[in-house]
Amino acid sequence: QVLVPESGPGLVKPSETLSLTCTVSGGSISSTNYYWAWIRQPPGKGLEWIGSIYYSGSIYYNPSLKSRVTILVDTSKSQFSLKLTSLTAADTAVYYCARDRRGGSWFDPWGQGTLVTVSS
Amino acid sequence: QSALTQPASVSGSPGQSITISCIGTSSDIGNYNYVSWYQQHPGQAPKLMIYDVTTRPSGVSSRFSGSKSGNTASLTISGLQAEDEADYYCSSYTNSATRVFGGGTKLTVL
Repeated sequence: QVLVPESGPGLVKPSETLSLTCTVSGGSISSTNYYWAWIRQPPGKGLEWIGSIYYSGSIYYNPSLKSRVTILVDTSKSQFSLKLTSLTAADTAVYYCARDRRGGSWFDPWGQGTLVTVSS
Repeated sequence: QSALTQPASVSGSPGQSITISCIGTSSDIGNYNYVSWYQQHPGQAPKLMIYDVTTRPSGVSSRFSGSKSGNTASLTISGLQAEDEADYYCSSYTNSATRVFGGGTKLTVL
């Protein structure tokens, strides 16, 4: 059973950078069948795809966030990470990581999600 | 990229069937059979219910089914049960190799 729990700070100040990590267990992050995705959900709102990365480093970003987002993969640690810069209150959300099927683009499984609040 | 369009809410009585639509464009739903659907109960992570338009993952009830016509995908839930009350989201692959979600639909079981 593949697990993808998120980790990182729950409170970040405006204008600073958010850093989150997702650690893959129960399966290989280097599988050729999957990308690894970050998705977020502001309180009371819908899901927003942030980006997906392949183990080789090939990556796709949501155009609306591309200028502020960096997603990296570290296969030696079975981890992938998210950095989001220039934070505002609008970035307050539950951030999820998920496995993203290559050649299908469905998300399963998901992490439990981590609430990140942007506030001074 | 624009979000896929879903109705904000739908409702039905136990035992009835409901359908949730998901409207996209020729750049996403209309061009790929890569539509998926997710169920989300309050305070929980989304759960995959349908992928590749019509395929149910192991463990998902056969009461859930998916379809697509042109730029519109649909999720049908038959024999509604109280436990089906949740938010539902569609997602699609796009021409730009990005992924896009719908705005979500709140299902109320009356």
